Amino acid sequence: NAGVMQNPRHLVRRRGQEARLRCSPMKGHSHVYWYRQLPEEGLKFMVYLQKENIIDESGMPKERFSAEFPKEGPSILRIQQVVRGDSAAYFCASSGQTNTEAFFGQGTRLTVV
Amino acid sequence: LAKTTQPISMDSYEGQEVNITCSHNNIATNDYITWYQQFPSQGPRFIIQGYKTKVTNEVASLFIPADRKSSTLSLPRVSLSDTAVYYCLVGDRVRSGAGSYQLTFGKGTKLSVIP
Repeated sequence: NAGVMQNPRHLVRRRGQEARLRCSPMKGHSHVYWYRQLPEEGLKFMVYLQKENIIDESGMPKERFSAEFPKEGPSILRIQQVVRGDSAAYFCASSGQTNTEAFFGQGTRLTVV
Repeated sequence: LAKTTQPISMDSYEGQEVNITCSHNNIATNDYITWYQQFPSQGPRFIIQGYKTKVTNEVASLFIPADRKSSTLSLPRVSLSDTAVYYCLVGDRVRSGAGSYQLTFGKGTKLSVIP
């Protein structure tokens, strides 16, 4: 049973480019969460999605950030026109319908140069 | 969401028992207490969850007093591989009718195990 898979593990983008981060949840999980972790900080919730629906995006910046979890395929976190301050580790987690335990992926480390 | 307070860092020698206490004075009736472990360059990993009294699994024990305003994660006989950041989380087990809950992480406790 493969765990939560995130790719790429490392992503380098120049300022102004777009970053696309992918997350495949564990098999059978329909809930996906995205978190951002700045250096020496705890994880900050960004968005909670179910298949084709955004349930809670209260942690998402108002501009440039978007997330989706289509019926088929992985969840995508998209950051447009990246800036240096977007450099961070982005973690995805998934959980099942009645499972209270969230399983995390290994994260994508985004570096904006 | 209840706010949590835990020590920023702790040091321990190998083989010792480590107790990390977390304060959550505003815990709500529906809230569970969950601890996660995070190694460098890794995602957090679930350790243990409890509601009251004591919970034990193969990794750790969780002690929760009757008033539930604090909790203590106990790691028996730590080894170097237990060096990690430990997060205490408090949250409703069920949110938005979805059967899962949003996790709110603080800065955690950085545990350093010394040989």
